Amino acid sequence: DGGITQSPKYLFRKEGQNVTLSCEQNLNHDAMYWYRQDPGQGLRLIYYSQIVNDFQKGDIAEGYSVSREKKESFPLTVTSAQKNPTAFYLCASSGSQETQYFGPGTRLLVL
Amino acid sequence: AQSVTQPDIHITVSEGASLELRCNYSYGATPYLFWYVQSPGQGLQLLLKYFSGDTLVQGIKGFEAEFKRSQSSFNLRKPSVHWSDAAEYFCAVGEGGSYIPTFGRGTSLIVHP
Repeated sequence: DGGITQSPKYLFRKEGQNVTLSCEQNLNHDAMYWYRQDPGQGLRLIYYSQIVNDFQKGDIAEGYSVSREKKESFPLTVTSAQKNPTAFYLCASSGSQETQYFGPGTRLLVL
Repeated sequence: AQSVTQPDIHITVSEGASLELRCNYSYGATPYLFWYVQSPGQGLQLLLKYFSGDTLVQGIKGFEAEFKRSQSSFNLRKPSVHWSDAAEYFCAVGEGGSYIPTFGRGTSLIVHP
């Protein structure tokens, strides 16, 4: 089945630690996105990539980094510079006309 | 820049009752419009989308939405709500070529038995 997978489902971060969230898609989509979701705030765009080896900052990129070495993969690293990382993280991809398809999400918690 | 307003943070309906969730957008040209649903702890699932043509769009799970250019609205409707429809609903608007839709803040649907 075609779709988007995110792993892990839950992730725990210690103070000062970098953690990486995985996002893989087999939809052959060019564009991929990372969103952060906090209660009552909807979706906020962290980073997006419209093509391999290229990506742009979204509205809240500080404290995060990404890479896009393969079309299928768009991992997100939450660095120690992100002081409030506890949130639900959603990955999405789109092929055309901005129709985004979402993964199941990763919940990041701080120990 | 485009923007999306979902005026209702919470909506409560009884099972079997009809439903209408409101969405207003701000955009100069004809936008691309979407409705998504999110169950607790899950990702977003696309319910329906409008790009052009017939202004009444049918989606999955018995939902429909109507694009009204004069009112800048794209309201989501369902004639009879089921308890399993309880979820968060997001409206989104995009403009051609940008690949980055703007999402509303969401409306939480509560269904009473």
